[in-house]
Amino acid sequence: DVKVTQSSRYLVKRTGEKVFLECVQDMDHENMFWYRQDPGLGLRLIYFSYDVKMKEKGDIPEGYSVSREKKERFSLILESASTNQTSMYLCASNPGGGGMYTEAFFGQGTRLTVV
Amino acid sequence: DAKTTQPPSMDCAEGRAANLPCNHSTISGNEYVYWYRQIHSQGPQYIIHGLKNNETNEMASLIITEDRKSSTLILPHATLRDTAVYYCIVKGSQGNLIFGKGTKLSVKP
Repeated sequence: DVKVTQSSRYLVKRTGEKVFLECVQDMDHENMFWYRQDPGLGLRLIYFSYDVKMKEKGDIPEGYSVSREKKERFSLILESASTNQTSMYLCASNPGGGGMYTEAFFGQGTRLTVV
Repeated sequence: DAKTTQPPSMDCAEGRAANLPCNHSTISGNEYVYWYRQIHSQGPQYIIHGLKNNETNEMASLIITEDRKSSTLILPHATLRDTAVYYCIVKGSQGNLIFGKGTKLSVKP
């Protein structure tokens, strides 16, 4: 089975802390994505990456950064966590390439609470 | 902004077919339509995709109108485990999937 694994299902952090959310995929996919999901707002794209060391801003990058040092791993970093970053965070990957069809696979999500 | 429009909620009786509509009137000629679903507290799960022709797999069928401005996802025999939020999606210009708010399907006994 293909897998996208997020390091934690639940996290509680304090305001001002630096937070790392880790995501690993075992499918040799080119593209990886970080979304956050909030009630009434659906899934919103934070950052994505087409390749190692490449990153692109999504719709809501403010307050976040990312790191992709290896193809299989994509990390989301909250530089200084704030309460408005309390959310469900979802990582996804897809094969990328030039084709128009690319199925995305999602992790189970990390529910982050910032207190 | 999402490129698709779906009703916010629908009910379906267990064992009956669930027909979930989606409007995507601005879709371009080479853009696929994807359907995902999200069961409570889990990540979204791929269901099916299509371009022009109707598609069927072990989970569902996808009917796309000839003008490609709308589609319908069909779950032929809905079960209680099909209760979820269903998303109809097209890709954004950057290749990412743009999720709207989806349709919350409630399958009732």
